[in-house]
Amino acid sequence: DSGVTQTPKHLITATGQRVTLRCSPRSGDLSVYWYQQSLDQGLQFLIQYYNGEERAKGNILERFSAQQFPDLHSELNLSSLELGDSALYFCASSVVGSNSPLHFGNGTRLTVT
Amino acid sequence: GQQLNQSPQSMFIQEGEDVSMNCTSSSIFNTWLWYKQDPGEGPVLLIALYKAGELTSNGRLTAQFGITRKDSFLNISASIPSDVGIYFCAGQKGGTSGSRLTFGEGTQLTVNP
Repeated sequence: DSGVTQTPKHLITATGQRVTLRCSPRSGDLSVYWYQQSLDQGLQFLIQYYNGEERAKGNILERFSAQQFPDLHSELNLSSLELGDSALYFCASSVVGSNSPLHFGNGTRLTVT
Repeated sequence: GQQLNQSPQSMFIQEGEDVSMNCTSSSIFNTWLWYKQDPGEGPVLLIALYKAGELTSNGRLTAQFGITRKDSFLNISASIPSDVGIYFCAGQKGGTSGSRLTFGEGTQLTVNP
């Protein structure tokens, strides 16, 4: 158990809809990262938050947004969903420090129909 | 997109055999990490490497941080059926480039009993 909790585990929704994925980091970790894993793209970095502030942005679509709350949990919002957004979405967390390993949750499997 | 080239893509071996996989990059990373992912779960950290030339073991696993800082390899000795899964290398630039990870494409390992 990595200590990173993600909910829900599975999500099935229709095109055009909006969903919210939730992540609770490991106790003491201030940084939260979101990754997307699809069959043909591997693990792609989306966005990082550190102590409530956006720290780095990767290949995140404009239809997607995230935030980190004062209690350090994070939410990833996906809107105007398309079939191609179907993927596993992972949250990871790390302690302060630029060379800290990331610890991953078990992901949310999103299926867009 | 991906910057790390991981090989081989897949391996089919007999129980008891040794396994080797590697990762190369066109750019320098300051930390190399190896993760294992089982079906339906998130990547789990196996080994983290912090210095060029470093050789680190974790049980039957041994990993090395290449001297050029552009490559790393992972060896698994005396494989067992529970070694089955997808192994990912990941590089972390650190410093002002941040703590996010860039992942390789993964090596799918199958161990035949």
